[in-house]
Amino acid sequence: QVTLNESGPVLVKPTETLTLTCTVSGFSLNNPRMGVSWIRQPPGKALEWLAHIFSNDEKSYTTSLKTRLTISKDTSKSQVVLIMTDMDPVDTATYHCARIFKTLAGRFYWFDPWGQGTLVTVSS
Amino acid sequence: DIQMTQSPSSLSASVGDRVTITCRASQTISSYLNWYQQRPGKAPKLLIYAASTLQSGVPSRFSGSGSGTDFTLNINSLQPEDFATYYCQQSYSTPFTFGPGTKVDIK
Repeated sequence: QVTLNESGPVLVKPTETLTLTCTVSGFSLNNPRMGVSWIRQPPGKALEWLAHIFSNDEKSYTTSLKTRLTISKDTSKSQVVLIMTDMDPVDTATYHCARIFKTLAGRFYWFDPWGQGTLVTVSS
Repeated sequence: DIQMTQSPSSLSASVGDRVTITCRASQTISSYLNWYQQRPGKAPKLLIYAASTLQSGVPSRFSGSGSGTDFTLNINSLQPEDFATYYCQQSYSTPFTFGPGTKVDIK
């Protein structure tokens, strides 16, 4: 059974740096067809993809947050870490990690399954 | 970035109804389109990938179609557990982007 669990602070102050950890089980971060994405959802709003990382260390970031995000992985610990700098109240959201699956041929990618998410509130 | 739109933004339906949700991309994305269901307070769940392939374990009353810029999610014979918000998402190019969602509630 594949599971992903997010962990990190529930409250951060404006301008602080957020560090979130996704711990995975049931699949390996060495699998070339799988990686981990971070996706967030502000309360009552839509989903926003933030970043992903694959086994070969291929990384990608959303355009608007590229300068503030860093994604990395520790394969031995089955963990993926997302760092977001200079937090602002508009960054208040539930942050999900999800396994990203890709086909060997073509560019088909999808997110499955998702972690339950962790709500991060940005407030002084 | 590729922009995704969905219509309607919300709809009311009854158990047993057939529901259709549309998704449009701001540029052609071939069949690189996925659909997710999110029940209140829960994580999103993959329903369909590559526009029309049903994810394992998803009931066959769900179906997807389309290619290029226009896509459709159909739910035949709506069940009580189907009342949720549905999102489309393109995987044609990064940054991957989601639609704003369609909320399906009980009439």
